[in-house]
Amino acid sequence: QQPVQSPQAVILREGEDAVINCSSSKALYSVHWYRQKHGEAPVFLMILLKGGEQKGHEKISASFNEKKQQSSLYLTASQLSYSGTYFCGTEHYGGATNKLIFGTGTLLAVQP
Amino acid sequence: DTGVSQDPRHKITKRGQNVTFRCDPISEHNRLYWYRQTLGQGPEFLTYFQNEAQLEKSRLLSDRFSAERPKGSFSTLEIQRTEQGDSAMYLCASRPTTGFGYTFGSGTRLTVV
Repeated sequence: QQPVQSPQAVILREGEDAVINCSSSKALYSVHWYRQKHGEAPVFLMILLKGGEQKGHEKISASFNEKKQQSSLYLTASQLSYSGTYFCGTEHYGGATNKLIFGTGTLLAVQP
Repeated sequence: DTGVSQDPRHKITKRGQNVTFRCDPISEHNRLYWYRQTLGQGPEFLTYFQNEAQLEKSRLLSDRFSAERPKGSFSTLEIQRTEQGDSAMYLCASRPTTGFGYTFGSGTRLTVV
C-alpha cells in the first residue's frame, strides 16, 4: 500500500535537472510532496488534487496522472538548497482520504 | 501563527518506563496527526484526530500507545512500558481540512535504553 518512489537516490551538480516518480497501487485522491532535510521535519511543497493537474513552486513543479496512479516531481536548475529527502504522500478514495501514506523516499544530493 | 510545537524535543527513557509527548497544532487547524519515523524511512501513520474525536488509529499500533486531544486543542501521545523498538522520531502534524498540506512540528526524538 505504501507508494513506491524512484529513484531511491540521485546526485546532481548545481544547475542540473531531476525527476522523482511516485507510484501507487491504489486509486489516488491526492498526492502531496514534501522535502525533509537531515534532522528536520518534513516541509510541505505542494498538493495535487485532480488528475492531470500540474503545480509549480519556484523551479519545482509536479504532475499527477490519476489514471496511471502516478505523480512526478520535477526539479529544474537545481540549487544546493534542494538537497534533502523527498517524500510523496498519497490519499486514497474509499474512506481513506483522511491520512497520508508516505512513500519510500528519494535522497537528493546537489553538489557545487 | 507560531506553527506546530512539540515537547520535548528529545527524550531518553529506560525500557519499561512510560513516556508522554505533547503537540500544540496551529490554532485554526482542526485535523491533527501523529506519525512515527525511523532512520531512512518515510513517516508512518499512527493516529488522526478531527477536533477532539480520534477517528483513526493504525492497526500497527499496539495497545501500549494511546493518544488524546481534549477540547480539540493540544494533543498528547503516551507510550506505556516502552520497548527498544519504540525508539524513533515522533512527528505531529496539523492541517485545516482535506485538500491542504500538512504542517509538521519539529518532532520528539525518543531513545529507549
